[in-house]
Amino acid sequence: QSVLTQPPSASGTPGQRVTISCSGSSSNIGSNTVNWYQRLPGTAPKLLIHRNNQRPSGVPDRFSGSKSGTSASLAISGLQSEDEADYYCAAWEDTLHGWIFGGGTKVTVL
Amino acid sequence: EVQLVQSGAEVKKPGESLKISCKASGYRFSTYWIGWVRQMPGKGLEWVAIIYPGDFDTRYSPSFRGQVTISADTSISTAYLQWNSLKASDTAMYYCARPQGYGDYPFDNWGQGTLVTVSS
Repeated sequence: QSVLTQPPSASGTPGQRVTISCSGSSSNIGSNTVNWYQRLPGTAPKLLIHRNNQRPSGVPDRFSGSKSGTSASLAISGLQSEDEADYYCAAWEDTLHGWIFGGGTKVTVL
Repeated sequence: EVQLVQSGAEVKKPGESLKISCKASGYRFSTYWIGWVRQMPGKGLEWVAIIYPGDFDTRYSPSFRGQVTISADTSISTAYLQWNSLKASDTAMYYCARPQGYGDYPFDNWGQGTLVTVSS
C-alpha cells in the first residue's frame, strides 16, 4: 500500500490542463521535497519535477509542480498526446529513512 | 552521460536463487549511492534497498530487509540485487536507480528495468 495518495486516473483533451494531486503527511511531504516521475508505456521512470517545482534540463515547461503543507500537485498545461503516461509522486519519509512513492496516476489523452 | 544498464528478464521457480545486475557508466561509481525500486504488476513503485559503493554501506526498506541482499562490485561499476529463495510474490519489474544522495534527494537516473517472473 502506497503511503502517498494519488488519484488512479486523470484525463483531458489535447490542449487542456490536467492536475494530479499527491497527499502525504508531516513525516514525508510535510518536511521534505516532492519529486515527480513520468513513466511512458514500456519505459523506465524519468525524473520530471524535483524539489517540488524544479524541472530538469529537457523537461518542457508545460509541466509544473507545487507543494503546500502535506500535499503536492503536478500540472500539465497544453496536454499533448505524448503526455499519455503514468505519473508518480515521491518523497523522503523521515520515519522510514527511505523513499516512498504514490500509487501512480494514469493520464489519458482523449 | 550517466547510463544504468540492467541484466535481462528472468523466469525462475519458487525456491530458486537469483542475482540481477545494474552496470553503471558515465560517472564515478564509488561516489554515488545506487538502489533498487520494485514495481509489482499493476502496482506503484516501492523503494527496496540502496548501497554506497564507496564503503558498501547498505540501507533497506523494512518491507524488504531479510528478503533481498544488495551488493556492489566497484571493479566493474555494477550493483546487484539478490534473492536466496524466490517466492511467487517476488514477481515484478525491478529498476535500479541512482539518487543524488541518501536523504531528501530524487532518483535522477534509472535503468531500463529487469522483469523477474517466479512461477512453478
